[in-house]
Amino acid sequence: EAQVTQNPRYLITVTGKKLTVTCSQNMNHEYMSWYRQDPGLGLRQIYYSMNVEVTDKGDVPEGYKVSRKEKRNFPLILESPSPNQTSLYFCASSPTGATEAFFGQGTRLTVV
Amino acid sequence: DAKTTQPNSMESNEEEPVHLPCNHSTISGTDYIHWYRQLPSQGPEYVIHGLTSNVNNRMASLAIAEDRKSSTLILHRATLRDAAVYYCILRKTSYDKVIFGPGTSLSVIP
Repeated sequence: EAQVTQNPRYLITVTGKKLTVTCSQNMNHEYMSWYRQDPGLGLRQIYYSMNVEVTDKGDVPEGYKVSRKEKRNFPLILESPSPNQTSLYFCASSPTGATEAFFGQGTRLTVV
Repeated sequence: DAKTTQPNSMESNEEEPVHLPCNHSTISGTDYIHWYRQLPSQGPEYVIHGLTSNVNNRMASLAIAEDRKSSTLILHRATLRDAAVYYCILRKTSYDKVIFGPGTSLSVIP
């Protein structure tokens, strides 16, 4: 089954404790991206990747890092999380920039 | 970055057609028009996309204005399961940023 898998689905952490949210897709897609969703602000793109070792900033990249060492994986790294990064995060993948995008089920992160 | 504007909310009666509008007056020639929807507590789900011609699939139809500055997502018979937030976005074939607006919250009345 074609899918984008995020882990964990829920995470509560403390300020400053480094964390990684994993994203994996099984469709051999080149394009992957991360979004955060906050009430009243909709979905905002954090980072995107066009292929292995190629990434670029979206609209809200501050405080986040990503890596794309393998085509299927695109982890989101928060080196020093802060409470303003409490949000619902989605990973997505698509074959190209203009084709159907598949989204993961989301990761609800709370930073206290 | 080309942006889209949509009404904040719309209502429809069950079993009736729904026309969801989207304006994208700064669209460029390489922008594809995509529609996604997000049901409560779920990730966004692809609905349909097109470039210049109208498109149909099992979920919906997409009508694109001749000048491409606006488009309309058509749900032919709304069901309660269609109640969701619908997003209209522009995407390029070449890899680029994606900008989601707040979308249109569709309510379906039984």
